[in-house]
Amino acid sequence: QSALTQPASVSGSPGQSITISCTGTSSDVGGYNYVSWYQQHPGKAPKVMIYEVTNRPSGVSNRFSGSKSGNTASLTISGLQAEDEADYYCSSYRSGNLYVFGTGTEVTVL
Amino acid sequence: QVQLVQSGAEVKKPGASVKVSCKASGYTFTSYAMHWVRQAPGQRLEWMGWINAANGNTKYSQKLEGRVTFTRDTSASTAYMDLSSLRSEDTAVYYCARDRGYYDSGTYHSNNWFDPWGQGTLVTVSS
Repeated sequence: QSALTQPASVSGSPGQSITISCTGTSSDVGGYNYVSWYQQHPGKAPKVMIYEVTNRPSGVSNRFSGSKSGNTASLTISGLQAEDEADYYCSSYRSGNLYVFGTGTEVTVL
Repeated sequence: QVQLVQSGAEVKKPGASVKVSCKASGYTFTSYAMHWVRQAPGQRLEWMGWINAANGNTKYSQKLEGRVTFTRDTSASTAYMDLSSLRSEDTAVYYCARDRGYYDSGTYHSNNWFDPWGQGTLVTVSS
């Protein structure tokens, strides 16, 4: 069960924007609008930031936004802040009532 | 508020089994499915499978099918994850996470995202 592909690390200065990609196949990312993104700080449980590709749960900053094109989904963090430094994982529904996570991306605020 | 509280850390020997619990509060337990996700030290999240809390139907990842069993006790609003024939590669933090779905005409529909998550349970497999 192969994972979705994410860059290992992305960095940016405070105030800048960064984008994290998440590449899958037509059986998961490309076939359904069921991509979600999770933020995980060290030693903590993941927290949902985006669901169904573009939707933000209540309480999540509007600096976080999601999009998708073909088999690749993306998470953009604008106005980067120190508190955004964390690991980020994408997740997608996969045909057959299965789910898959991405390889994870470490975000560093310079 | 909606909360998932998991059981405490476990240390097991190779070949043994482990059972992790996940007690839900703040919502109607049988109205949502529950996922299980694990994370080996320094590694990515790995989806293990899910259980429909109302009828007990399960779906397991291909990698773990045959070694993992999900159950639930609706009277206690608690979900359980049982993993057998433990090996060192099973050392990980195990999380439960509520599915965000709904019922429509008696059929459960997942919205395909996980919220909230339990605090995690560290399972260490070591001889």
